[in-house]
Formats: sequence, C-alpha cells, structure tokens
Amino acid sequence: EVNLLESGGALVQSGGSLRLSCAASGFTFSISAMAWVRQAPGKGLEWVSSISASGGSTKYADSVKGRFTISRDNSKNTLFIQINNLRAADTAVYYCAKEAWGERFDSWGQGTLVTVSS
Amino acid sequence: QSALTQPPSASGSPGQSVTISCTGTSSDIGSYKWVSWYQCRPGKAPKLIIFEVSERPSGVPDRFSGSKSGNTASLTVSGLQSEDEADYYCCSHAGYNNHVIFGGGTKLTVL
Repeated sequence: EVNLLESGGALVQSGGSLRLSCAASGFTFSISAMAWVRQAPGKGLEWVSSISASGGSTKYADSVKGRFTISRDNSKNTLFIQINNLRAADTAVYYCAKEAWGERFDSWGQGTLVTVSS
Repeated sequence: QSALTQPPSASGSPGQSVTISCTGTSSDIGSYKWVSWYQCRPGKAPKLIIFEVSERPSGVPDRFSGSKSGNTASLTVSGLQSEDEADYYCCSHAGYNNHVIFGGGTKLTVL
C-alpha cells in the first residue's frame, strides 16, 4: 500500500523559509515522478511543482518559481520542497503526491499546513 | 495561467445522475488526453477517480465516468450515494507552458 507522509509545516513569518518533507513507502520511489499540490484555506487545489524520478527534471507553477525548490533523496525515499521568501498567499495545506504517466496524481498524502503570518 | 472553469456547486438526489463540467481552452483540455478528476472529502487525502479523460483507477466504482468534447471535460456520477458528497476537481496538462492546471472545484451535494 502506498503511503505518503508529509511533515515540516509550521507557522512562519512573512519573508521566512521552510522545508517540507514527504516520506514515501509502499512503492518503488526511485522510479516514480513526484509532485507537490497545495490548497489554500477555502480555496481549490493548485499544482505547485513536479520532479522526475531521477530528480534531473523539475517544473514549477509561475506563482512559486524562483522561491520554491523541489528535490528528492531516492536513497531515503523522501521528497522535499524548500520554500523561501514566504508570502501570505503561500498559506495552505501542502500535499505530496505520486505522479504517474499522464500527469495523474494517483496517491496523495494527508498534507501539512503552512501558515504565513504578516 | 487561469484555472479551468467548473461550476461552484452541483446537487442531486440519491439514485440520480449528476454531471460536472470543466471548461478549458484549445491549449489544455482541447489538445490533450491528460485530463483527470479528483474527489476531496474533508479531512481526507484527495483521491484520483478518473484519468486520461475516461479511465478509472482500480477500486473506483463504475458509477463514475468521464468524457471530453472539444475544450470541455465532464464527470458524471450515476446512481448518487450519500458518500459521493465531496468536492470534485478537474485537472489538465497545459501545453502552453508544460504545466498542470486544476479547475476551481465543484461542491457536490447529495440531497
């Protein structure tokens, strides 16, 4: 059974930084593309970033490009996202998702909450 | 890029069918088979229910079906059950910037 467990969410001041982690199990992490998707309070889902299985290819939503960095450690089955220069608009639950062929997110974690205070 | 357009709400009685639309452009839904749908219930992880326009992952009831016509994708839930009450989101590949784009979500209420 696929299991994705996010951690690292916190209350952070505007302009601060945070690193979120996602521990994966139940599937072969090293051959799976992964992604982060977020949901602001009362809002819809927003794709944030994706990374290829090897980590050699990444892409970002325009709203986070230049501030967020996605990475992975295949030896530890862990996905990361470094978030810098946090803004109030980044307040959201951040979900880690396994990305299968055709950009479908076939397994999701429970999410971790990031709150940015001004 | 703008989100795909979904109606904010939909409803139906138990046993009825409901269809939720998702409108994009010729640069996303209109050009790709990579359209998926997700079910979101409070306190639970989002769940993939349709991928590649009309394919169902194993374990998803065949009451859920998907289709596409031009720039609009649709999710139909047949034989509505109370457990189907949730938020539903469409998702598509966006060819103009090689990104992924979600719809604004539709709250489905089972009356």
